[in-house]
Amino acid sequence: DTAVSQTPKYLVTQMGNDKSIKCEQNLGHDTMYWYKQDSKKFLKIMFSYNNKELIINETVPNRFSPKSPDKAHLNLHINSLELGDSAVYFCASSQDPSQGDEQYFGPGTRLTVT
Amino acid sequence: AQKVTQAQTEISVVEKEDVTLDCVYETRDTTYYLFWYKQPPSGELVFLIRRNSFDEQNEISGRYSWNFQKSTSSFNFTITASQVVDSAVYFCALSDLDGGKLIFGQGTELSVKP
Repeated sequence: DTAVSQTPKYLVTQMGNDKSIKCEQNLGHDTMYWYKQDSKKFLKIMFSYNNKELIINETVPNRFSPKSPDKAHLNLHINSLELGDSAVYFCASSQDPSQGDEQYFGPGTRLTVT
Repeated sequence: AQKVTQAQTEISVVEKEDVTLDCVYETRDTTYYLFWYKQPPSGELVFLIRRNSFDEQNEISGRYSWNFQKSTSSFNFTITASQVVDSAVYFCALSDLDGGKLIFGQGTELSVKP
């Protein structure tokens, strides 16, 4: 009974390609997030959505475009992939960020760009 | 600006030793939330604890305990009688209530040797 799921778990692709990562949560949460973890394990927010509305866009290149078809899903599409995009991408969700509710993370998607 | 610092990059201990992971934070907010997450070698991010800025009581959960001190802006995590299964990267994080993003520290990699 997975709370936050992501597909695929691993993604290997070449520079210049376009790829998508899907995320779904079954916790009934209103807010979803994408984080990027770099090779040094540093975690940084990319986007957050509240009930399908973009709340945070943390100076991410335009090549990254999140899409939220409903509040249980937040997908990440990446155009024209670059070597520097190689990282682990985590999706997360929480109920009420204004109350500091904890975020639950998906298993991560390891993206390798060659 | 909000910031979380985990000065210990790596810690190595022998099983059954006690170990404390340090976390220092910076924020101008009077209401804020602090978190600890565990990232085992399998890669997922596991929520451990959430503490709000108005609750300075220490918390104990089994072998885990947390010491929150506003006077020193610290939220330290102690594992008592460490076990090999405690080997992981541990992240301290601060919640930005305006949007809900988590601001992570750099992480501390704990290695518990048998």
